[in-house]
Amino acid sequence: DQQVKQNSPSLSVQEGRISILNCDYTNSMFDYFLWYKKYPAEGPTFLISISSIKDKNEDGRFTVFLNKSAKHLSLHIVPSQPGDSAVYFCAASARQTGANNLFFGTGTRLTVIP
Amino acid sequence: DVKVTQSSRYLVKRTGEKVFLECVQDMDHENMFWYRQDPGLGLRLIYFSYDVKMKEKGDIPEGYSVSREKKERFSLILESASTNQTSMYLCASSPYLGQSREYEQYFGPGTRLTVT
Repeated sequence: DQQVKQNSPSLSVQEGRISILNCDYTNSMFDYFLWYKKYPAEGPTFLISISSIKDKNEDGRFTVFLNKSAKHLSLHIVPSQPGDSAVYFCAASARQTGANNLFFGTGTRLTVIP
Repeated sequence: DVKVTQSSRYLVKRTGEKVFLECVQDMDHENMFWYRQDPGLGLRLIYFSYDVKMKEKGDIPEGYSVSREKKERFSLILESASTNQTSMYLCASSPYLGQSREYEQYFGPGTRLTVT
């Protein structure tokens, strides 16, 4: 059973506009969330994370929002650039259980159109 | 910079062959992981290890085994490769709980395995 879900397999956005990628989770034990970016023929690279004690974390053009009551998080990219075109994975972990595992979503392919 | 390397970028094997995928990390990380990535399924955890000679099953361990004889090296073994094991295999490492940024996993470039 998929505990982390990304319901949009793909998203296209014009350069300069906002990209919003969404992620839902089912396990209430998850307390730490991460976004990874993956280019073809490369491994995923860490982008940004958020702890469940926060509802927002910002790093440059990237902002992650967490809505714990809805078990939903989103990644905002503003402004979007062609180099942002990649597959984005949402991941979650339950640090309070002492586990080191990450549970990944199925990914959203973002295409930024110049 | 953390570096995770995988022994092959592309591999083609025949059904029934024994396949070894090697992963090496240079950051003295305690934790190492093997995933496979398939379209529409995301990254699924096969096995992980939190110490030398220690291993834990992930979500899809069937048909796979692992070996961790040295801290920096984590091997994935397909005892008898089958066509449904055709996939992208990704290795990752992370530092131990309690260290800074402990939940970031650092990934290798992946091995695209085709079993014919």
